[in-house]
Amino acid sequence: GAGVSQSPSNKVTEKGKDVELRCDPISGHTALYWYRQRLGQGLEFLIYFQGNSAPDKSGLPSDRFSAERTGESVSTLTIQRTQQEDSAVYLCASSSLGEQGEKLFFGSGTQLSVL
Amino acid sequence: GQNIDQPTEMTATEGAIVQINCTYQTSGFNGLFWYQQHAGEAPTFLSYNVLDGLEEKGRFSSFLSRSKGYSYLLLKELQMKDSASYLCAVWNSGNTPLVFGKGTRLSVIA
Repeated sequence: GAGVSQSPSNKVTEKGKDVELRCDPISGHTALYWYRQRLGQGLEFLIYFQGNSAPDKSGLPSDRFSAERTGESVSTLTIQRTQQEDSAVYLCASSSLGEQGEKLFFGSGTQLSVL
Repeated sequence: GQNIDQPTEMTATEGAIVQINCTYQTSGFNGLFWYQQHAGEAPTFLSYNVLDGLEEKGRFSSFLSRSKGYSYLLLKELQMKDSASYLCAVWNSGNTPLVFGKGTRLSVIA
C-alpha cells in the first residue's frame, strides 16, 4: 500500500481480555517499530524488527506484551490479560535505510481503551 | 543507553520565531530527527541532520552540533497550525531502534 496501515483504528475491550493489533508496513521496508503513546505523553518504544535480525524487545513493559512479524511484512502486537493501564494509542512505523537514514513513516495508530 | 531532553511546553506568538532545543547523550550517533505531531494524529517527518550545521527547509530549520550533543528546531513566521508537539529522536546505528524524546508541546497564540 501507499502508507503504513494499522487495524483496528479503535478497540474497546474489557479488562482481562486479550487483544491483537495489526500493522501493514510500507512494502519493501525492512524495519518495523511499535510505540505506545499515552494521552498527552511522548512515544514509548516497545519493540523493533530489522530484517532477519532478532527483534529488539527491550521496550516491552511486561510479559503480557508480545509481537511477531512475518518476514518483512505484517506485524501483530498482542496484549494478553489487558489492564486499564494499557489504554493508549499504539503506533506502528516502518522504515527503509536511505539517504535520510532511519526515516520513519507512521501509521494512524490503534486507540486501545480497556474498561 | 540514551538520554534525550527537550522542554515539555513552549508558547509563542503568531508571526514570531521559536527555537525548540534538544540535548542528547548517546554511545553512538548516526543522525538526529525532528518530527511533528498534531493532537490525535501520527508523527510526521520534519528533518534529519547527520552533519554539523543548519539545514533549512522553508519556515523550518534544524541545527546540529555533534560535539555538544545538541540540536534545535527553528520555526519562523509562526502560524496557528504550527501548534503541535515536536519530537526529537536520535538514531544510534544501523541495527538499533530510533529513540524519541518526550516531545515539546508548542502552543501558538494570537
